[in-house]
Parts: sequence; C-alpha cells; structure tokens
Amino acid sequence: QQQVKQSPQSLIVQKGGISIINCAYENTAFDYFPWYQQFPGKGPALLIAIRPDVSEKKEGRFTISFNKSAKQFSLHIMDSQPGDSATYFCAASETGNQFYFGTGTSLTVIP
Amino acid sequence: ETGVTQSPTHLIKTRGQQVTLRCSSQSGHNTVSWYQQALGQGPQFIFQYYREEENGRGNFPPRFSGLQFPNYSSELNVNALELDDSALYLCASSLLQGQSEVYFGPGTRLTVT
Repeated sequence: QQQVKQSPQSLIVQKGGISIINCAYENTAFDYFPWYQQFPGKGPALLIAIRPDVSEKKEGRFTISFNKSAKQFSLHIMDSQPGDSATYFCAASETGNQFYFGTGTSLTVIP
Repeated sequence: ETGVTQSPTHLIKTRGQQVTLRCSSQSGHNTVSWYQQALGQGPQFIFQYYREEENGRGNFPPRFSGLQFPNYSSELNVNALELDDSALYLCASSLLQGQSEVYFGPGTRLTVT
C-alpha cells in the first residue's frame, strides 16, 4: 500500500511559471513532511519541510501548503527556472522514523 | 552538498555474489538509514541504525544486513545478490532525537548482472 501518493508523474512548465506538485497521505501519525529534489545520478537533496502545526511554509521561491484535515500537502515553485528541472519527491514520516516517499514528479522547465 | 559520503560510487556484481556498501554520516548525526531506489521510483526504506543498534526495518529480506560503528559510520551488506537488487543505494543521516532534518548521501549505483 502506497503510504504517500504523488501527482502528477511529470510536469512541463514555461520559464517564469508556477510549478505545483501534490501529495496525499493516509497515516495521521505522520508529523514531518519534507520535499526532496533529485538530479540524475545524485542523491535526493532536502528542499523544504513542514510540520502539521503550520499551514504554509515559504523559503525563497519554494512554498509548501499543508492541509491537515484533507491529509494533503503541495509544493509550489514560483518563477520556475530551467535549473529547477529535476525530479521532486514528497515524503512523510513520524519524527525519527522511516520516510515514506512518493513516486516522484519529473519537472521540466522550458526556457 | 551534504556531509554524508558513500563509497563506492558505482559497483558491478554478479548474481549470487555479496556486496558491502559504506557510508559516513554528517558530523554530529547519530542515526543512519539506508534506502534502495530503483530506476524511476522513490526511495524505499531498508533499515535504520541508532547507536550501533538496528532501530527499524522495512520490507527487505534478511540477506540485507547492516552495521553501525562507534563513529556513526555504517555499512550495508547484501548477500546472494539478485538481478532485482540493481538500484541506487542511499544512505541518510540524522539526529534521532528532536526535530532534525534528514540528509542523503550521493548514493552507490549497484548493477547486478
């Protein structure tokens, strides 16, 4: 059973546009929700993370929106750039325990 | 770049052989987790070590085993390699206690032929 469901599988956005990736989870015990960015042949790099006591967190061009009642969270990339082209993974965990990852979203930003 | 290092970068093994992958955690981090990432998939949790003890295990058979050393570095051992073991193996370090982020190493690409 997939603990974290991620969509879309792939996304193509024009430079300067907004990229939006969505995730949903089932386990209400999850209390930590990070997003990772991964380039080909590299390990995942922590981008931004949120805990369920806030509904939104912003770091630069990256924003996480969190809806606890709907058990959903999303990543918004504002002013998308070609250098943002990568695979993005959402994840969820109970603090200190294993991460459950989504299946990934391949983002392509067209110049 | 995180402070998590892994070796080797790439490895080619034959079915039935055994392999050992190594990881040095980020300074100050006492917890190491290992993940398997098949091509085009998200990472899957193998197990976690905290203070040299296994502290959680995912849905992987016993031929996947590990060690953590007093300096918090870690090894992943896989016996009787199968073709499906071909994947990127990721090490991640964190502080088990508290509100700590988890940082991944660059991974070891294992190919089983």
